[in-house]
Amino acid sequence: DAGITQSPRHKVTETGTPVTLRCHQTENHRYMYWYRQDPGHGLRLIHYSYGVKDTDKGEVSDGYSVSRSKTEDFLLTLESATSSQTSVYFCAISEQGQENPQFFGPGTRLTVL
Amino acid sequence: TQLLEQSPQFLSIQEGENLTVYCNSSSVFSSLQWYRQEPGEGPVLLVTVVTGGEVKKLKRLTFQFGDARKDSSLHITAAQPGDTGLYLCAGPYTGFQKLVFGTGTRLLVSP
Repeated sequence: DAGITQSPRHKVTETGTPVTLRCHQTENHRYMYWYRQDPGHGLRLIHYSYGVKDTDKGEVSDGYSVSRSKTEDFLLTLESATSSQTSVYFCAISEQGQENPQFFGPGTRLTVL
Repeated sequence: TQLLEQSPQFLSIQEGENLTVYCNSSSVFSSLQWYRQEPGEGPVLLVTVVTGGEVKKLKRLTFQFGDARKDSSLHITAAQPGDTGLYLCAGPYTGFQKLVFGTGTRLLVSP
């Protein structure tokens, strides 16, 4: 299995608080992605990174920011959590980008009350 | 706009039955990937199909890429409870370094 960990695995927070989710990889892959998965919507891309300090928006980026200061770490921040951001968040990595397979982490279940 | 439509959305069958899951698009894809996701875990890549008309087999699973590269199917022979999960197709989004995922087919195989 690809070495990808996510932390925390579960989090409950209150509306309006900032939340940071961490993705850590040991594969030295260039590309890293954050998705959210919701019933009826499948996997939707929030942000992705194509190198250290190089990031771009996905299809559902509003209310989220990311940072990548090291190859192995990709952080997702909910600036002011809302109930609509209750979801399961997955990190994924890929060696070369879109044509290549993605390897997913175990997910973080976030509940915003 | 959802570029990849999967059908059926849900499928509940008995052990030993055969089934086919479809992934369709109005767009041409250079390749398509199939993933399986088990409850509480992230998706795991099963196969990538690249050439129009290509057929790939993975034990009891047979994957086919349409001749026009707009669709793909996954056929499972003699399904087992271990095949239970969410099956997702995904394809590269032209011009962007990302994949677009279908909404998935949730399969339940009962003993």
